[in-house]
Amino acid sequence: QVQLVQSGAEARKPGASVKVSCKVSGDSFREISWHWVRQTAAKGLEWMGGFDPTDGLITYAQKFRGRVILTEDSSTDTVSMELTSLRNEDTAAYYCMIGMGRTWGQGTLVTVSS
Amino acid sequence: DIQMTQSPSAVSASVGDRVTITCRASQGISNSVAWFQQKPGKVPQRLIYASSSLQSGVPSRFSGSGSGTEFVLTISSLQPGDSATYFCLQHNTFPLTFGGGTKVEIK
Repeated sequence: QVQLVQSGAEARKPGASVKVSCKVSGDSFREISWHWVRQTAAKGLEWMGGFDPTDGLITYAQKFRGRVILTEDSSTDTVSMELTSLRNEDTAAYYCMIGMGRTWGQGTLVTVSS
Repeated sequence: DIQMTQSPSAVSASVGDRVTITCRASQGISNSVAWFQQKPGKVPQRLIYASSSLQSGVPSRFSGSGSGTEFVLTISSLQPGDSATYFCLQHNTFPLTFGGGTKVEIK
């Protein structure tokens, strides 16, 4: 049974960056698709980007391209999402998920406020 | 991008009622749709994958159908614990896109 455990809540000021991590246990994340999704009351669920094992590539949503960096660390079985140039509207719950939603992390609340 | 138009946005029904929720894709996506249930403050839970396959452990009153551009989630007999928001996800093509959600309330 795959489990995803995310890092804790973060608070940032506008213009700053935040990095959220997601530790994968119970499966090899190089063999499964993994993705980052965020949720707000205003916009609902938005896919930010993800990894496709069939081509080994990370793809980013156009909306976040240039501002989000997705990485993986096989030594710690961790995938991460870094979002830069934060704005108030980036305040959201951020989730990692695998296998097209088969398993989700517990979510990380990121609050952006001056 | 493929748009997923979900309807209705909210439904109020009685225990035992049949509830149907629809997602329409802006273009054909084969059977690449999953359905999720999310309760307030909780993580989404997948109910259905590949349009009609029931996730292990999910009650059989939940079912999914559809292919191409129209997909339906059916709750055959609504139970008190089914009060939640339900949403669809298309994973045929990047970017993955979600429906806007349907809030199901028990009368």
